[in-house]
Amino acid sequence: QKEVEQNSGPLSVPEGAIASLNCTYSDRVSQSFFWYRQYSGKSPELIMSIYSNGDKEDGRFTAQLNKASQYVSLLIRDSQPSDSATYLCAVKRRRDNFNKFYFGSGTKLNVKP
Amino acid sequence: EADIYQTPRYLVIGTGKKITLECSQTMGHDKMYWYQQDPGMELHLIHYSYGVNSTEKGDLSSESTVSRIRTEHFPLTLESARPSHTSQYLCASSEPLQNAEAFFGQGTRLTVV
Repeated sequence: QKEVEQNSGPLSVPEGAIASLNCTYSDRVSQSFFWYRQYSGKSPELIMSIYSNGDKEDGRFTAQLNKASQYVSLLIRDSQPSDSATYLCAVKRRRDNFNKFYFGSGTKLNVKP
Repeated sequence: EADIYQTPRYLVIGTGKKITLECSQTMGHDKMYWYQQDPGMELHLIHYSYGVNSTEKGDLSSESTVSRIRTEHFPLTLESARPSHTSQYLCASSEPLQNAEAFFGQGTRLTVV
């Protein structure tokens, strides 16, 4: 079982719509959760982080965390073509006495003009 | 913008050559990581470091080695490159806090012919 599971997509949404990206994780002791955006051929860049159950909003982005269901999601409102990228879900937890990041394989988002 | 740099950005090299991928950060982070990422796939942790003179192998077995003689510098070496080493290599760093995010360098795309 993978540590972090994401639907690979592609997820296609029209410009201006809400894009919903989902992620599940396997280990209940995971404590910190991150969404990264990765453009093709580029390195990941942080979009949002979330540590507590509930919603966290930052501009057009909302991260949602449900630890009981081991589920993290990212909502992108008013999607723009520039949001087209692969979105990586990352979970951080302590293993071998070290806080490690575990990444999903990413969901590719296409925002159509 | 994160201050973590990788060189070279692209490298095409022949089989059997020794190569070193450079990674430097100016943020004073103790924790540094090397990830390997094939196209469309998740990031796999191949090495990490707690700090100076501390290195550990990651979750994905790799024939590469690393060193951490200075806080800011975390080079990765392949003694004898093979075509199977062709991949993107991403260096990252973070603060030691549980909730701290990982900052990524621009990556090195390695092709072994």
